[in-house]
Amino acid sequence: NAGVTQTPKFRVLKTGQSMTLLCAQDMNHEYMYWYRQDPGMGLRLIHYSVGEGTTAKGEVPDGYNVSRLKKQNFLLGLESAAPSQTSVYFCASSYAIVVAGSNEQFFGPGTRLTVL
Amino acid sequence: GESVGLHLPTLSVQEGDNSIINCAYSNSASDYFIWYKQESGKGPQFIIDIRSNMDKRQGQRVTVLLNKTVKHLSLQIAATQPGDSAVYFCAEGSNSGYALNFGKGTSLLVTP
Repeated sequence: NAGVTQTPKFRVLKTGQSMTLLCAQDMNHEYMYWYRQDPGMGLRLIHYSVGEGTTAKGEVPDGYNVSRLKKQNFLLGLESAAPSQTSVYFCASSYAIVVAGSNEQFFGPGTRLTVL
Repeated sequence: GESVGLHLPTLSVQEGDNSIINCAYSNSASDYFIWYKQESGKGPQFIIDIRSNMDKRQGQRVTVLLNKTVKHLSLQIAATQPGDSAVYFCAEGSNSGYALNFGKGTSLLVTP
């Protein structure tokens, strides 16, 4: 199993450009998440999905959109990139949710995005 | 809002010594806690988790202790090795029940 994969690994954008980050998991997990990681800030949740066709806002959703058209894929879109969105983006997936039991989230390798 | 925090941003230990990484949480309703290890340039990797009905849980060379009275948990690493050098995050189950609330991380440096 590849686990959680993310594409691309690196990207440089100019302010105002758009892009989509792709996350794929082959573990048949129901739940998927997008986080951003900034120096000294830990990981912050952007959006998450509790199943195919569903999405929900996390802690820092502004400026991002997501889609979960297929169970194995979770896409993160930036419609008009801003320098404040320079960060490392991590996708994660899990079998269960916190209230139901173990919520071990499996993380991808990350996408390093720079917005100039 | 309530948050998870770490006492020390960096910790330096000698190879072979035991390491203790501490974490404080403020949400008394949290009932699930998890530790992750993140090596440079990689995504976080699961180490161990614990639910609030337990005080202690052991894994391979790692132990997590939970003190609900003072809302504190710690990660103990026995016989620390150079490969243990990484940033360690604690996280708590969020109120939504779906996502994890991560602390800012502690950098562990193992010196020979």
